[in-house]
Amino acid sequence: QVHLQESGPGLVKPSETLSLTCSVSGGSISSGYYWNWIRQTPGKGLEWIGYIYFTGSTNYNPSLKSRVTMSVDTSKNLFSMNLSSVTAADTAVYYCARGIPFDPWGQGTLVIVSS
Amino acid sequence: EIVLTQSPGSLSLSPGQRATLSCRASQSVSSTYLAWYQQRPGQAPRLLIYDASRRAPGIPDRFSGSGSGTDFSLTISRLEPEDFAMYYCQQYGSSLPWTFGQGTKVEIK
Repeated sequence: QVHLQESGPGLVKPSETLSLTCSVSGGSISSGYYWNWIRQTPGKGLEWIGYIYFTGSTNYNPSLKSRVTMSVDTSKNLFSMNLSSVTAADTAVYYCARGIPFDPWGQGTLVIVSS
Repeated sequence: EIVLTQSPGSLSLSPGQRATLSCRASQSVSSTYLAWYQQRPGQAPRLLIYDASRRAPGIPDRFSGSGSGTDFSLTISRLEPEDFAMYYCQQYGSSLPWTFGQGTKVEIK
C-alpha cells in the first residue's frame, strides 16, 4: 500500500521560500502517476497547487504559477515543492497526494508564515 | 476556472438517516471527472467517489454518487457514527486548475 509523508519546516519567514518534500513508500514514484501538492486554509479551503510527473513534467495552478517550482527525485522516491516570496496568506496545511483523483494523501504538514 | 458550489453548508442529521449532498459546477465538468472526499477532524481527506459515481476501493456501499454536466450529488444511505465529517467535491477534468467545493459538514443532530 502506497504511503506518502510530507516533511519540511513548520515555520517560514515572510518573503522567504517554503520548501517541502513528499516521501513515497510502498510503491515507485516512476509508476506513472501524477504527484500533487494541495493546501488547505480555513479561509480558502482546499486548493490544488500543482502536479509533477515522474518524467519531470509539471502543471501548476495559475494563481501560484509564478512562485511554485516542483521537482522529482526518482532515485530517492520523493518529490518536492518550493513556494517563493511567501506571505501570511500562504499559511496552510500542505498535503501531497498521488494521482488523479487524489488518492492516497499524506497526513499533511502545517506551515506557518510568520516573522 | 470551474467554481464548485456545495450545498447545504451543513447538514444536521441522526445516525441511520439518509444524507444527500449537492455539488454544482459553474460550467460542465468534462467526462464526469468529479470526485468526493471525506475529511474527519485532524485527518487528511479520503477519496470516496470518483468519476461521479464509482466508489473507491474499500468504501462502503452506503456511499453513492450521481450526476453529470454541472449537477452532482453524494448520498449516504444510512449514516453511521463515523460518517459525521466534512465532505468535499472536486473536479479533475480537462479544465485546469482542478478545483474543490467549499465543503458540506454533516453533523450529528
